[in-house]
Amino acid sequence: DAMVIQNPRYQVTQFGKPVTLSCSQTLNHNVMYWYQQKSSQAPKLLFHYYDKDFNNEADTPDNFQSRRPNTSFCFLDIRSPGLGDAAMYLCATSRDLRGAMNTEAFFGQGTRLTVV
Amino acid sequence: DAKTTQPNSMESNEEEPVHLPCNHSTISGTDYIHWYRQLPSQGPEYVIHGLTSNVNNRMASLAIAEDRKSSTLILHRATLRDAAVYYCILVGGTSYGKLTFGQGTILTVHP
Repeated sequence: DAMVIQNPRYQVTQFGKPVTLSCSQTLNHNVMYWYQQKSSQAPKLLFHYYDKDFNNEADTPDNFQSRRPNTSFCFLDIRSPGLGDAAMYLCATSRDLRGAMNTEAFFGQGTRLTVV
Repeated sequence: DAKTTQPNSMESNEEEPVHLPCNHSTISGTDYIHWYRQLPSQGPEYVIHGLTSNVNNRMASLAIAEDRKSSTLILHRATLRDAAVYYCILVGGTSYGKLTFGQGTILTVHP
């Protein structure tokens, strides 16, 4: 059974039109992450939530925002998508932050975003 | 964050063992060595992790050098389903549970 679920699997949006990607988890994990993976590249962390605490990576563009209304759900908002934002967006969870060094992260299947 | 170095690609035949190397010469004492793999068009999946001792699970084995400057992921009998990108990642210190992916090793398995 899927434990980290991302919807939709494929999303097409227009240049400059706001888009929201969603992620839900059934693991009750405290930490949720969003990664961006461009074609033929490795995943790159955008930000993470530890409970309700939001932590942005230093080089994440302001165009990317996130919301976590409760433990189970997390959203990635792209305010004005550009062509360079076309990528696979991956959501992941882990039980804790410090303890996550000694445990595994769980990834969703990803949402592939196309910008036209 | 300490970095890892992996070969860009490796090839194997089905049902043969595969040894995927990873160098991490700047590893700190609190860094765990994690391995994830990513099958085509899927999210990464956890394979195995360890700190100092060799580790085994149902998917693979992890052999860690005594000085911890390198490690090897061992797939005992490769199957076609094992064809994926394998990432060796150090987790610890200030990164806590955050995963910083390198370029990984593309494993091709031949029938």
